[in-house]
Amino acid sequence: GNSVTQMEGPVTLSEEAFLTINCTYTATGYPSLFWYVQYPGEGLQLLLKATKADDKGSNKGFEATYRKETTSFHLEKGSVQVSDSAVYFCALITDSWGKLQFGAGTQVVVTP
Amino acid sequence: GAVVSQHPSWVICKSGTSVKIECRSLDFQATTMFWYRQFPKQSLMLMATSNEGSKATYEQGVEKDKFLINHASLTLSTLTVTSAHPEDSSFYICSEATDGETQYFGPGTRLLVL
Repeated sequence: GNSVTQMEGPVTLSEEAFLTINCTYTATGYPSLFWYVQYPGEGLQLLLKATKADDKGSNKGFEATYRKETTSFHLEKGSVQVSDSAVYFCALITDSWGKLQFGAGTQVVVTP
Repeated sequence: GAVVSQHPSWVICKSGTSVKIECRSLDFQATTMFWYRQFPKQSLMLMATSNEGSKATYEQGVEKDKFLINHASLTLSTLTVTSAHPEDSSFYICSEATDGETQYFGPGTRLLVL
């Protein structure tokens, strides 16, 4: 079956530090890959996505590259801000219904 | 992006009562809606998928008679937790999709069953 594995949190960083959240997946076929972000007290928002191998998704300074050879979709940001404090979910879709399979989520805490 | 609302945002009820949660798309018509459940500090677990005008498809292990889903129109889906018990306390989230890939999530409803 399909699964998504993320690094456990919480990840605590100082402002302007480099952030990496690892995500690997197991899936049949070629899934579309996503990163969603959940800010405190808010619903999930799509952060970025990639639909095929070697695609790079980017948004708000975050980037992730679809690596088929390593079945990974690691999220990176070069310089985090306090406002980036949130829970980040890696996810994939493999079927035509668009059903999302989520990772466990990684809480990121950025301190001033 | 599209806006999805949920109502209520918080609900506290007594054990044995039923609770209805509404999910509305405010600025687009959703062909497919999803209902998720999220436990504290855990990921979202898909409960069911519904398409407008047809019966919901439930994930394995989700009781159809306990979690009634109605997708009456392209802008409204409801989840009714029937005869709620404390173990049903959770955060329920809906999402709506139009193109089979992009989902727009509601802000969630926190249910506490006493």
